[in-house]
Amino acid sequence: EVQLLESGGGLVQPGGSLRLSCAASGFTFSGYAMSWVRQAPGKGLEWVSVISNGGATTYYADSVKGRFTISRDNSNNALYLQMNSLRAEDTAVYYCARRTAVNTPAPFDYWGQGTLVTVSS
Amino acid sequence: DIQMTQSPSTLSASVGDRVTITCRASQSISSWLAWYQQKPGKAPNLLIYKASSLESGVPSRFSGSGSGTEFTLTISSLQPDDFATYYCQQYNSYPLTFGGGTKVEIK
Repeated sequence: EVQLLESGGGLVQPGGSLRLSCAASGFTFSGYAMSWVRQAPGKGLEWVSVISNGGATTYYADSVKGRFTISRDNSNNALYLQMNSLRAEDTAVYYCARRTAVNTPAPFDYWGQGTLVTVSS
Repeated sequence: DIQMTQSPSTLSASVGDRVTITCRASQSISSWLAWYQQKPGKAPNLLIYKASSLESGVPSRFSGSGSGTEFTLTISSLQPDDFATYYCQQYNSYPLTFGGGTKVEIK
């Protein structure tokens, strides 16, 4: 059974940093691209970033480019999101999601349960 | 960026009703469109991919159609478990974008 389990969320002050993790199991992690998608309270879904199966290729939404860094550790089946210079508008539930490939059209077929990030003083 | 516009934003319906949700893309995305269902406090769940392909395990009352810029999600006979919010998403090009969502409420 495919499982994605996010962790690392919490309360952080504006300008601060946070690192999210996503532990994957039940599939060959190194064979899939992975992504982060967020959802602000009461709002819709916003794609944040994606990383190729090997980690060589990444893409970011303009809203986080230069502040967030996606990475992965295939030996430990883990996905990460390093978030720096956090702003109030980054407050959201962050989901990790699986995608077949990074440059081949594919939907998100599995999602984690999400971790809440709150940016507030 | 490709903008995805869903309508309506809210829909009131009864059990057994046929429900249709529309999603429009600001430019052609071929058939690279997915539909997701999300219930409160839960992660989205993939229903339809490539505009009309039913994801494994999804009930056959869900169907999708369209190509280019106009797409629809249809629920042939609404069931109690279907009251939720539905999102379309284009995966033709980056940045990947979602529609604003359609909340299906009990009438």
